[in-house]
Amino acid sequence: SQQGEEDPQALSIQEGENATMNCSYKTSINNLQWYRQNSGRGLVHLILIRSNEREKHSGRLRVTLDTSKKSSSLLITASRAADTASYFCATNAGGTSYGKLTFGQGTILTVHP
Amino acid sequence: EADIYQTPRYLVIGTGKKITLECSQTMGHDKMYWYQQDPGMELHLIHYSYGVNSTEKGDLSSESTVSRIRTEHFPLTLESARPSHTSQYLCASGRVGAGELFFGEGSRLTVL
Repeated sequence: SQQGEEDPQALSIQEGENATMNCSYKTSINNLQWYRQNSGRGLVHLILIRSNEREKHSGRLRVTLDTSKKSSSLLITASRAADTASYFCATNAGGTSYGKLTFGQGTILTVHP
Repeated sequence: EADIYQTPRYLVIGTGKKITLECSQTMGHDKMYWYQQDPGMELHLIHYSYGVNSTEKGDLSSESTVSRIRTEHFPLTLESARPSHTSQYLCASGRVGAGELFFGEGSRLTVL
């Protein structure tokens, strides 16, 4: 069964607005990561948050992690047309599974100029 | 820019053909992975390797095979391609002890 599920499946906003994407997972994790994928391209790592962290920032990105609810959110502030892409959360269970990522189904973000 | 390369980017072949998707990285990473991405976007791990001569099957059963003879090279082979193998195949690598993965641009395979 799928480890990460993302919500919403698609999000359409205007440039300058904030975009929030959510991710839920089912089992214990070592860390949770967010990736971005432009159409027809590979994935690019955005940010990693460890299981003992609650919030992390990187530029216009803010990630939160609530291990009690098994959920994470990615906030992109002041969005730009160039942020248009698919965004995936990925969980790492650690232990013998360390390094193997389980991906959610992704959120398609469209930012209109 | 990640130093991980996949060839070919696009491949259209007929049923029954043997194909090899190449993946190479110049970062010296021990960990390498193959993910299959379906049209609904979800990625599924089909093979991984933690070093030379180490290969394991992933969470999604696949008829493909892989080899890891050199650290930098992790090719994926389909002995007899079928239309059900039509998909996007993404190769990734990472350092032992680090969580982040670096992805190639992907190989989009279409089997007619």
